[in-house]
Amino acid sequence: DIQMTQSPSSLSASVGDRVTITCRASQSISSWLAWYQQKPEKAPKSLIYAASTLQSGVPSRFSGSGSGTDFTLTISSLQPEDFATYYCQQYNSYPITFGQGTRLEIK
Amino acid sequence: EVQLVESGGGLVQPGGSLRLSCAASGFTFSSYAMSWVRQAPGKGLAWVSTISGNGGTTYYADSVKGRFTISRDNSKNTLYLQMNSLRAEDTAVYYCAKRGVVPAAIDFDYWGQGTLVTVSS
Repeated sequence: DIQMTQSPSSLSASVGDRVTITCRASQSISSWLAWYQQKPEKAPKSLIYAASTLQSGVPSRFSGSGSGTDFTLTISSLQPEDFATYYCQQYNSYPITFGQGTRLEIK
Repeated sequence: EVQLVESGGGLVQPGGSLRLSCAASGFTFSSYAMSWVRQAPGKGLAWVSTISGNGGTTYYADSVKGRFTISRDNSKNTLYLQMNSLRAEDTAVYYCAKRGVVPAAIDFDYWGQGTLVTVSS
């Protein structure tokens, strides 16, 4: 199975900050990586697929990069509605696996 | 507008069975692989199972293989998850999720609101 490791596990930041979350795969997954945002008691929301393609309707302050084993999600200028938990997911092969999540909190 | 609405969750005793449903609308259901993803209380997301658009191919996480069965009825635009021999560790919110726009890929562009399954005596 491909293990997905996110760092950091939690992060405190302020509105307006630039934030980067990292996701590392235990083996190459090409660009078969997605990012999701989840707010408490809500379903996950798709942000990015194919490592760097923004889902329709997602603000341009979100961006993704990487290929192979190392990936990043960047929020260029944090907004109040961005405080949530973020997950990466690989879909290179079954079983599909998620990172453990990064909780983004208000400083 | 894409909508996914799960139902069928509830409280069940260990060893019991439950069938979840996911009613889909707003897209050509038969053209998309569909999946179940679960989230135990206070934990992260865990993939459970995926079924191809025509229902001919299925995949399962090892933790549910042999106990859970994914299926779909394309005439009713509905996805199912039959869960047998339930264990306490199956307690979770179960989400159905639609495959994204790339046909060969299993990312999830739309998710249902989730249904809670609690396995307890």
